[in-house]
Amino acid sequence: EAGVAQSPRYKIIEKRQSVAFWCNPISGHATLYWYQQILGQGPKLLIQFQNNGVVDDSQLPKDRFSAERLKGVDSTLKIQPAKLEDSAVYLCASSLDPDISGNTIYFGEGSWLTVV
Amino acid sequence: SQKIEQNSEALNIQEGKTATLTCNYTNYSPAYLQWYRQDPGRGPVFLLLIRENEKEKRKERLKVTFDTTLKQSLFHITASQPADSATYLCALDPGGGNKLTFGTGTQLKVEL
Repeated sequence: EAGVAQSPRYKIIEKRQSVAFWCNPISGHATLYWYQQILGQGPKLLIQFQNNGVVDDSQLPKDRFSAERLKGVDSTLKIQPAKLEDSAVYLCASSLDPDISGNTIYFGEGSWLTVV
Repeated sequence: SQKIEQNSEALNIQEGKTATLTCNYTNYSPAYLQWYRQDPGRGPVFLLLIRENEKEKRKERLKVTFDTTLKQSLFHITASQPADSATYLCALDPGGGNKLTFGTGTQLKVEL
């Protein structure tokens, strides 16, 4: 079974530029998550989708971050304009059933962003 | 405010010994607690889940305990091996949709 795919793997941009990350979840997984992991910290949930609807985006900095999940499959996370403090790993994850807690969450390898 | 604490200092142990990692939390009532392993440059990988009404869960060399009175979970790796060296994250789920809050993780180093 293919895992969660993310691209690009690494990205370096200057502050105030924009960047987009793409995620393809495991086939059949209804729930998709974007997490931000700053070096030395645990992942922090940015947004959670159920199919193509947003379940939770309470920690998404909406003035600069946006995310969409068209057709309930792939998702894109965009940052515009980027700030130095956005330097982090952006992890995409998916799980099978959105209404049941205790489901295993499968993470991708992450997209590493450095803002200079 | 909600707080999850894991040992910030790395844990160094000898091969063959049992590693014990701690996860403490405050102002939280999780229905589930999960443990993940994260290797450098990789995404977290799920290891074990324990429910609030379970005291202990085992999987091969791994054991997790969950004490909702103490607000603490302990994660044990018996007969540790150098391949167990990684960062271990605990994550709490209040129930109702897999909304995980992660701790900062503890780095484990198993030496020969």
